[in-house]
Amino acid sequence: EIVLTQSPGTLSLSPGERATLSCRASQSGSGTYLAWYQQKPGQAPRLLIYGASSRATGIPDRFSGSGSGTDFTLTISRLEPEDFAVYYCQQYGSSPKTFGQGTKVEIK
Amino acid sequence: EVQLLESGGNLVQPGGSLRLSCVASGFTFSTYAMAWVRQAPGKGLEWVSTFSSGGGSTYYADAVQGRFTISRDNSKNTLYLQMSSLRAEDTAIYYCAKGSYSGNYHYFDYWGQGTLVTVSS
Repeated sequence: EIVLTQSPGTLSLSPGERATLSCRASQSGSGTYLAWYQQKPGQAPRLLIYGASSRATGIPDRFSGSGSGTDFTLTISRLEPEDFAVYYCQQYGSSPKTFGQGTKVEIK
Repeated sequence: EVQLLESGGNLVQPGGSLRLSCVASGFTFSTYAMAWVRQAPGKGLEWVSTFSSGGGSTYYADAVQGRFTISRDNSKNTLYLQMSSLRAEDTAIYYCAKGSYSGNYHYFDYWGQGTLVTVSS
């Protein structure tokens, strides 16, 4: 099973700042089969990025993904108030599909 | 517009059974894999099971293998999860999620709002 480790656990930033979230896989079997999701309190997760770098439908271009193999990054170029949430990475190139433990982006 | 509506969550005693349902609309249900993902209170996301389309293969997380059964009725655009021998650690919100394509190696492009399962005496 591929274990995904996200860092940091919490990111305290101000609106307008840049957010950089990391997701590291324990093995390289996921290739670029890596997705990112956003979850707000009381809501279901929402797909942001798939294939490590492709934005999902309707996702603003301030969200970008990069990486391959074992190291992946989600970048939010300029934080908007609605971006403060928990973010999860997920690999789908190896069974079982696994998620990282999440990074909370909070208002500083 | 893709919509996924779960139902069936409830309070159940340890060792009990429960069946969850998910009615889908807004896409050709029969051509996509469908899955269940759960989230324990205050915790992260955990994939539970996938039912692929086409060949109809099913896949389970080790934590539920042998206790949970996923099924689908393409004529009703409905996904099910039959849960038995429930344990306290199965307490979670269960989300129905649409796979990005027909097979098992998919991400989840749409999610329902979830249904809460509580296992407690």
